[in-house]
Amino acid sequence: KQEVTQIPAALSVPEGENLVLNCSFTDSAIYNLQWFRQDPGKGLTSLLLIQSSQREQTSGRLNASLDKSSGRSTLYIAASQPGDSATYLCAVSESGGFKTIFGAGTRLFVKA
Amino acid sequence: EAEVAQSPRYKITEKSQAVAFWCDPISGHATLYWYRQILGQGPELLVQFQDESVVDDSQLPKDRFSAERLKGVDSTLKIQPAELGDSAMYLCASSLYRTGGRETQYFGPGTRLLVL
Repeated sequence: KQEVTQIPAALSVPEGENLVLNCSFTDSAIYNLQWFRQDPGKGLTSLLLIQSSQREQTSGRLNASLDKSSGRSTLYIAASQPGDSATYLCAVSESGGFKTIFGAGTRLFVKA
Repeated sequence: EAEVAQSPRYKITEKSQAVAFWCDPISGHATLYWYRQILGQGPELLVQFQDESVVDDSQLPKDRFSAERLKGVDSTLKIQPAELGDSAMYLCASSLYRTGGRETQYFGPGTRLLVL
């Protein structure tokens, strides 16, 4: 059974710092991996989607990498801002079916 | 920009009562998902539709939960009877193609359910 783990569960950094969020998954047979952002009490917003054949994707200050063989992904946020404060979730789409499995998220707080 | 609509945004009910949630996906999206998110956890898939057909409902507690997407457009999720443990955020999402969870999913704002 696929399990997705995110470390750390919470992170507090000063504004301007570069930071890395980690995601690991137990079964490397994935179709893709997505990173989402969730603001308190709100729905999820897709940030980046990496296909299993890709190594990384970039959008603005965000860069996500994927190492499928080791079951790991990282989300790099450059020059963090208070507006980046949110929960970041990663999710994998299984190769053999339709299901998307989410991690519990990393709660990020960027201090001004 | 097109969005996924959900209603109500908040619902308070007593245990053993019936509740229903509604979702209108982005126009033209073939796949619709219902997720349940307990506070502090990631969303868990309850049911997934491609057009009007269920393709995955393995995690749906079928003794009390039901879902339908009769015309392949909007969808309703029902709980009857509600239990205390059903208190959670219920999220609806949609995606364009009939490829399951293999493409970007667009989420609605969610319905926060509190069962007393």
